[in-house]
Amino acid sequence: DAGVTQSPTHLIKTRGQHVTLRCSPISGHKSVSWYQQVLGQGPQFIFQYYEKEERGRGNFPDRFSARQFPNYSSELNVNALLLGDSALYLCASSWGTNTEAFFGQGTRLTVV
Amino acid sequence: KQEVTQIPAALSVPEGENLVLNCSFTDSAIYNLQWFRQDPGKGLTSLLLIQSSQREQTSGRLNASLDKSSGRSTLYIAASQPGDSATYLCAVYRDGQAGTALIFGKGTTLSVSS
Repeated sequence: DAGVTQSPTHLIKTRGQHVTLRCSPISGHKSVSWYQQVLGQGPQFIFQYYEKEERGRGNFPDRFSARQFPNYSSELNVNALLLGDSALYLCASSWGTNTEAFFGQGTRLTVV
Repeated sequence: KQEVTQIPAALSVPEGENLVLNCSFTDSAIYNLQWFRQDPGKGLTSLLLIQSSQREQTSGRLNASLDKSSGRSTLYIAASQPGDSATYLCAVYRDGQAGTALIFGKGTTLSVSS
Protein backbone atom coordinates (compact mmCIF):
# COMPACT_ATOMS: atom_id res chain seq x y z
CA ASP A 1 0.00 0.00 0.00
CA ALA A 2 1.20 3.50 -0.76
CA GLY A 3 2.03 5.65 2.21
CA VAL A 4 1.52 9.38 2.48
CA THR A 5 2.84 11.09 -0.63
CA GLN A 6 3.86 14.72 -0.87
CA SER A 7 4.83 16.81 -3.85
CA PRO A 8 7.08 18.39 -4.77
CA THR A 9 9.99 17.08 -2.71
CA HIS A 10 12.03 20.26 -3.05
CA LEU A 11 11.09 23.79 -4.00
CA ILE A 12 12.91 27.11 -4.27
CA LYS A 13 10.88 30.31 -4.28
CA THR A 14 11.60 34.03 -4.12
CA ARG A 15 10.37 36.30 -1.33
CA GLY A 16 6.86 37.55 -2.01
CA GLN A 17 5.88 34.63 -4.22
CA HIS A 18 3.13 32.11 -3.57
CA VAL A 19 3.56 28.36 -3.15
CA THR A 20 1.24 25.33 -3.19
CA LEU A 21 2.22 22.06 -1.56
CA ARG A 22 0.28 18.85 -2.11
CA CYS A 23 -0.42 15.76 -0.04
CA SER A 24 -2.17 12.46 -0.76
CA PRO A 25 -3.16 10.52 2.36
CA ILE A 26 -3.08 6.79 2.87
CA SER A 27 -6.06 5.14 1.21
CA GLY A 28 -9.02 5.12 3.61
CA HIS A 29 -7.68 7.92 5.78
CA LYS A 30 -9.98 10.91 6.08
CA SER A 31 -7.82 13.30 8.09
CA VAL A 32 -4.86 15.31 6.85
CA SER A 33 -2.72 17.59 8.99
CA TRP A 34 0.11 19.93 8.04
CA TYR A 35 3.24 20.70 10.04
CA GLN A 36 6.19 23.05 9.61
CA GLN A 37 9.62 21.95 10.77
CA VAL A 38 12.49 24.42 10.84
CA LEU A 39 16.03 23.18 11.26
CA GLY A 40 16.79 21.90 14.74
CA GLN A 41 13.19 22.09 15.97
CA GLY A 42 10.31 19.69 16.26
CA PRO A 43 7.41 20.02 13.80
CA GLN A 44 4.85 22.76 14.52
CA PHE A 45 1.14 22.20 13.85
CA ILE A 46 -0.38 24.33 11.08
CA PHE A 47 -3.77 22.81 10.12
CA GLN A 48 -5.94 19.76 10.52
CA TYR A 49 -8.64 18.81 8.03
CA TYR A 50 -11.19 16.04 8.43
CA GLU A 51 -13.93 15.18 5.95
CA LYS A 52 -13.03 18.30 3.95
CA GLU A 53 -13.56 20.64 6.88
CA GLU A 54 -10.94 22.52 8.88
CA ARG A 55 -10.84 21.07 12.37
CA GLY A 56 -7.85 22.86 13.82
CA ARG A 57 -5.44 25.67 13.16
CA GLY A 58 -2.10 26.39 14.76
CA ASN A 59 -0.50 29.73 15.49
CA PHE A 60 0.37 30.69 11.92
CA PRO A 61 -0.47 33.90 10.03
CA ASP A 62 -3.32 34.18 7.54
CA ARG A 63 -0.80 33.88 4.72
CA PHE A 64 -1.11 30.16 5.35
CA SER A 65 -4.24 28.42 4.09
CA ALA A 66 -5.23 24.89 3.17
CA ARG A 67 -8.05 22.82 1.82
CA GLN A 68 -9.05 19.20 1.51
CA PHE A 69 -10.60 17.74 -1.59
CA PRO A 70 -13.40 15.12 -1.96
CA ASN A 71 -10.75 12.41 -2.46
CA TYR A 72 -9.20 13.53 0.88
CA SER A 73 -6.02 14.87 -0.70
CA SER A 74 -4.96 18.28 0.52
CA GLU A 75 -3.14 21.43 -0.50
CA LEU A 76 -1.25 23.88 1.68
CA ASN A 77 -0.92 27.38 0.27
CA VAL A 78 1.44 30.06 1.49
CA ASN A 79 1.21 33.61 0.16
CA ALA A 80 3.72 36.45 0.28
CA LEU A 81 6.60 34.15 1.16
CA LEU A 82 9.15 35.30 3.72
CA LEU A 83 12.67 34.03 4.27
CA GLY A 84 11.44 32.59 7.57
CA ASP A 85 9.03 30.31 5.75
CA SER A 86 12.00 28.20 4.66
CA ALA A 87 11.38 24.83 6.29
CA LEU A 88 10.42 21.20 5.81
CA TYR A 89 6.65 20.97 5.42
CA LEU A 90 5.21 17.69 6.57
CA CYS A 91 1.83 16.17 5.88
CA ALA A 92 0.29 13.62 8.25
CA SER A 93 -2.54 11.25 7.43
CA SER A 94 -4.84 9.47 9.87
CA TRP A 95 -8.11 7.57 9.79
CA GLY A 96 -9.77 9.86 12.32
CA THR A 97 -8.90 13.12 14.00
CA ASN A 98 -7.08 11.55 16.97
CA THR A 99 -5.95 8.18 15.62
CA GLU A 100 -2.36 7.21 14.78
CA ALA A 101 -0.67 9.68 12.46
CA PHE A 102 1.52 8.65 9.54
CA PHE A 103 3.80 11.20 7.93
CA GLY A 104 5.00 11.76 4.40
CA GLN A 105 8.58 12.49 3.39
CA GLY A 106 7.96 16.21 3.38
CA THR A 107 8.52 19.11 1.02
CA ARG A 108 11.69 21.12 1.54
CA LEU A 109 10.85 24.78 0.81
CA THR A 110 13.67 27.27 0.44
CA VAL A 111 12.79 30.96 0.15
CA VAL A 112 15.54 33.19 -1.27
CA LYS B 1 -0.10 25.28 27.18
CA GLN B 2 1.30 21.84 26.52
CA GLU B 3 5.09 21.71 26.30
CA VAL B 4 7.17 18.66 25.44
CA THR B 5 10.82 18.35 26.45
CA GLN B 6 13.27 15.68 25.37
CA ILE B 7 16.45 14.86 27.21
CA PRO B 8 19.22 14.48 26.23
CA ALA B 9 19.38 16.62 23.09
CA ALA B 10 22.15 14.43 21.70
CA LEU B 11 23.60 11.06 22.59
CA SER B 12 26.61 9.10 21.29
CA VAL B 13 27.05 5.45 22.19
CA PRO B 14 29.05 2.46 20.95
CA GLU B 15 27.25 -0.32 19.16
CA GLY B 16 25.56 -2.85 21.42
CA GLU B 17 24.65 -0.52 24.26
CA ASN B 18 21.16 -0.36 25.70
CA LEU B 19 19.90 3.19 25.99
CA VAL B 20 16.98 5.27 27.22
CA LEU B 21 15.55 8.41 25.69
CA ASN B 22 13.37 10.62 27.85
CA CYS B 23 10.30 12.71 27.07
CA SER B 24 8.37 14.88 29.50
CA PHE B 25 5.16 16.84 29.02
CA THR B 26 3.54 19.53 31.14
CA ASP B 27 -0.17 18.66 30.80
CA SER B 28 -1.11 15.11 31.77
CA ALA B 29 -4.47 15.35 29.95
CA ILE B 30 -3.14 13.81 26.76
CA TYR B 31 -4.90 11.43 24.41
CA ASN B 32 -2.02 9.47 22.87
CA LEU B 33 1.77 9.66 22.81
CA GLN B 34 3.80 8.66 19.79
CA TRP B 35 7.51 8.15 19.18
CA PHE B 36 8.97 8.88 15.75
CA ARG B 37 12.29 8.46 14.03
CA GLN B 38 13.60 11.06 11.59
CA ASP B 39 16.61 10.61 9.34
CA PRO B 40 18.37 13.81 8.17
CA GLY B 41 16.21 15.81 5.76
CA LYS B 42 13.53 13.13 5.71
CA GLY B 43 10.01 12.71 6.99
CA LEU B 44 8.91 11.02 10.20
CA THR B 45 8.66 7.27 10.65
CA SER B 46 6.26 6.11 13.35
CA LEU B 47 7.91 3.80 15.87
CA LEU B 48 5.38 3.29 18.65
CA LEU B 49 1.99 4.71 19.62
CA ILE B 50 0.88 4.51 23.23
CA GLN B 51 -2.80 5.18 23.84
CA SER B 52 -3.75 7.04 27.00
CA SER B 53 -5.13 3.88 28.62
CA GLN B 54 -1.90 1.96 28.02
CA ARG B 55 1.35 2.05 29.96
CA GLU B 56 3.75 0.64 27.39
CA GLN B 57 4.22 -0.66 23.89
CA THR B 58 6.91 -2.89 22.39
CA SER B 59 8.18 -3.41 18.88
CA GLY B 60 11.27 -5.50 18.33
CA ARG B 61 14.19 -3.89 20.18
CA LEU B 62 12.09 -0.87 21.12
CA ASN B 63 9.99 -0.43 24.24
CA ALA B 64 8.14 2.75 25.14
CA SER B 65 6.48 3.47 28.46
CA LEU B 66 4.00 6.14 29.48
CA ASP B 67 3.34 7.56 32.94
CA LYS B 68 0.64 10.20 32.55
CA SER B 69 0.56 11.12 36.24
CA SER B 70 4.22 12.17 36.20
CA GLY B 71 4.11 13.51 32.64
CA ARG B 72 6.84 11.21 31.37
CA SER B 73 7.57 8.71 28.64
CA THR B 74 10.73 6.77 27.94
CA LEU B 75 11.91 5.01 24.80
CA TYR B 76 14.21 2.08 25.50
CA ILE B 77 16.42 0.81 22.67
CA ALA B 78 18.09 -2.53 23.26
CA ALA B 79 21.39 -3.60 21.69
CA SER B 80 21.83 -0.43 19.65
CA GLN B 81 23.11 -0.65 16.08
CA PRO B 82 24.68 1.95 13.73
CA GLY B 83 21.45 1.87 11.72
CA ASP B 84 19.65 3.28 14.76
CA SER B 85 21.47 6.59 14.27
CA ALA B 86 18.77 9.22 13.72
CA THR B 87 16.75 11.86 15.56
CA TYR B 88 14.01 10.50 17.80
CA LEU B 89 10.97 12.68 18.35
CA CYS B 90 8.28 12.36 20.99
CA ALA B 91 4.82 13.82 20.35
CA VAL B 92 1.70 14.07 22.49
CA TYR B 93 -1.78 14.33 21.04
CA ARG B 94 -3.51 17.50 22.21
CA ASP B 95 -7.23 16.91 21.76
CA GLY B 96 -9.61 19.80 21.93
CA GLN B 97 -12.54 21.51 20.34
CA ALA B 98 -10.24 22.75 17.60
CA GLY B 99 -9.23 19.30 16.43
CA THR B 100 -6.22 17.26 17.38
CA ALA B 101 -2.66 18.51 17.09
CA LEU B 102 0.56 16.68 17.79
CA ILE B 103 2.84 18.64 20.07
CA PHE B 104 6.46 17.68 19.49
CA GLY B 105 9.66 17.90 21.47
CA LYS B 106 12.84 19.04 19.78
CA GLY B 107 14.13 15.51 19.59
CA THR B 108 17.15 13.49 20.70
CA THR B 109 19.82 12.98 18.06
CA LEU B 110 21.36 9.54 18.48
CA SER B 111 24.68 8.45 17.03
CA VAL B 112 25.71 4.80 17.33
CA SER B 113 29.30 4.00 16.39
CA SER B 114 30.53 0.61 15.18
